[in-house]
Amino acid sequence: ILNVEQSPQSLHVQEGDSTNFTCSFPSSNFYALHWYRWETAKSPEALFVMTLNGDEKKKGRISATLNTKEGYSYLYIKGSQPEDSATYLCAFFLYRDDKIIFGKGTRLHILP
Amino acid sequence: NAGVTQTPKFRILKIGQSMTLQCTQDMNHNYMYWYRQDPGMGLKLIYYSVGAGITDKGEVPNGYNVSRSTTEDFPLRLELAAPSQTSVYFCASSPPSGGTGETQYFGPGTRLLVL
Repeated sequence: ILNVEQSPQSLHVQEGDSTNFTCSFPSSNFYALHWYRWETAKSPEALFVMTLNGDEKKKGRISATLNTKEGYSYLYIKGSQPEDSATYLCAFFLYRDDKIIFGKGTRLHILP
Repeated sequence: NAGVTQTPKFRILKIGQSMTLQCTQDMNHNYMYWYRQDPGMGLKLIYYSVGAGITDKGEVPNGYNVSRSTTEDFPLRLELAAPSQTSVYFCASSPPSGGTGETQYFGPGTRLLVL
């Protein structure tokens, strides 16, 4: 059974603090890993598409790294702001079976 | 571009009723997907399509049917609604260039309640 694990499930961070969370995935047959940001009552929006081991992507205060050999990706948020409150989903794309597996998400709450 | 649109936004069904959730995209994307989102469970893939006339089962296809007669439309049909199908349904599409590894663009969701 292929599993994509995200941790922690939920996180409370003080405004202005930096934070990070993890997506773990099977390291074999890797094709791509996506990060999505999902605000309450809205639909998921793409943040990053990561394909190469050692990839590092950045968008404003948010960045992500990828380690395909050990099967994990980190998402970092620098200087958290209230608008960062959302669920962050990662999705693993398995080339062999043309399959997409989503993690359950990390729910981030920014405290004022 | 309207992107990915879904109708209806919200629906209440009685057990045993049937309905079709509509999904349309105007981005000329080959790949389209249907997901359901249950509390604490993330997104589960129901069905997907790699192009007009081609559909494949995802992780949780039981109780659902799909068709893809055009590139733009990917309706999801519930034939005999059950309480277990109470969920939020998201349709998504991705560009034609790279298959399932491409970024997916999601619709606004359809909230379905089966009583």
